[in-house]
Amino acid sequence: AQSVTQLGSHVSVSEGALVLLRCNYSSSVPPYLFWYVQYPNQGLQLLLKYTSAATLVKGINGFEAEFKKSETSFHLTKPSAHMSDAAEYFCAVQAAGNKLTFGGGTRVLVKP
Amino acid sequence: ETGVTQTPRHLVMGMTNKKSLKCEQHLGHNAMYWYKQSAKKPLELMFVYNFKEQTENNSVPSRFSPECPNSSHLFLHLHTLQPEDSALYLCASSQEGSQPGTQYFGPGTRLTVL
Repeated sequence: AQSVTQLGSHVSVSEGALVLLRCNYSSSVPPYLFWYVQYPNQGLQLLLKYTSAATLVKGINGFEAEFKKSETSFHLTKPSAHMSDAAEYFCAVQAAGNKLTFGGGTRVLVKP
Repeated sequence: ETGVTQTPRHLVMGMTNKKSLKCEQHLGHNAMYWYKQSAKKPLELMFVYNFKEQTENNSVPSRFSPECPNSSHLFLHLHTLQPEDSALYLCASSQEGSQPGTQYFGPGTRLTVL
């Protein structure tokens, strides 16, 4: 069985500050890991994915995530927050097959 | 059209109505999914179709009836719903057999049951 924990359901950052969203997973097999972003009244958009090629993964909109096997983590970061980053972010793990298991989501508020 | 589209985007229905949600993917994928997203709950996988065959039904009540006539189209037929079924219903598609089978999502249908 696999599971995902996102620490903090809400994160507030100032514009220009570092964005750090935490994701820890459990999986019985080497996983694939994903971050999705959801803007209000929209579906989920793929930000980036880890597929075992490189531990540091770069995604769209300046986001990146680092896979740390020893910590079973896949935290998402962006050096400088922009107002347009206000959204909900979901971490997901995929082990066997194509089934995704999602975390509970982290809502990001960006303060001017 | 590109990606995954869903219609309608918003739907209000009474508990005795029958309605259908439609999803279409333009990505050439062979697997499609229905998810339910309720406020303050994690995303719930409802149904999975691979090559038009249903491969997963996560204990979804029978008032939700999926249909997959071909690998590009997926429907969710709704009848005698309850107010607690109000949610955002998301469709996704992926390529079964690829690693990873990245899922791409549609914009969702916001359903309100009165």
